[in-house]
Amino acid sequence: GNSVTQMEGPVTLSEEAFLTINCTYTATGYPSLFWYVQYPGEGLQLLLKATKADDKGSNKGFEATYRKETTSFHLEKGSVQVSDSAVYFCALSDQGNFNKFYFGSGTKLNVKP
Amino acid sequence: NAGVMQNPRHLVRRRGQEARLRCSPMKGHSHVYWYRQLPEEGLKFMVYLQKENIIDESGMPKERFSAEFPKEGPSILRIQQVVRGDSAAYFCASSATGEGAFFGQGTRLTVV
Repeated sequence: GNSVTQMEGPVTLSEEAFLTINCTYTATGYPSLFWYVQYPGEGLQLLLKATKADDKGSNKGFEATYRKETTSFHLEKGSVQVSDSAVYFCALSDQGNFNKFYFGSGTKLNVKP
Repeated sequence: NAGVMQNPRHLVRRRGQEARLRCSPMKGHSHVYWYRQLPEEGLKFMVYLQKENIIDESGMPKERFSAEFPKEGPSILRIQQVVRGDSAAYFCASSATGEGAFFGQGTRLTVV
């Protein structure tokens, strides 16, 4: 079956530090991969996505590369800001079933000034 | 174009009561998805509906839970005879086609 595993939080960083949040997945076929962000009291917002192997998704300074050989989709940012403090969810969807997502449990990021 | 609108934002129910959660999709969107987020967990798929049809309800509990998306009006997620374990955030998402879903802000249900 499909599943997503991501690193547990919380992750606490100082402003301008480098961020990595690990995400690995199990899936049949060729899933699409996503990172969503949830700010306090808000719904989920799509941060970036990749639909095939070796694709790199990027947005707002965040990047993630679809690695089929390691079944991973790690999220990275070179220099975090206080405003990046949120919960980050890795997710996958089956090929052809795009909005039926399988989410990881989320990683809370705290960025201190 | 307003986003996906869910109401109420917060709902408190006593054990045994009914909870009705509403979701108005974005204009022009005919696909609706419901997800549940238990405390400290990720979102879990519940059901996928198109206008007047349930497409996939593989994530819905077999009892007490139902969902509809009528021809006119919002999608409704209904929970009968709520129990404490139903306390969670319920998120709705909508899309115009089968991909590119936008999420609402969620309804936080508390069962006391």
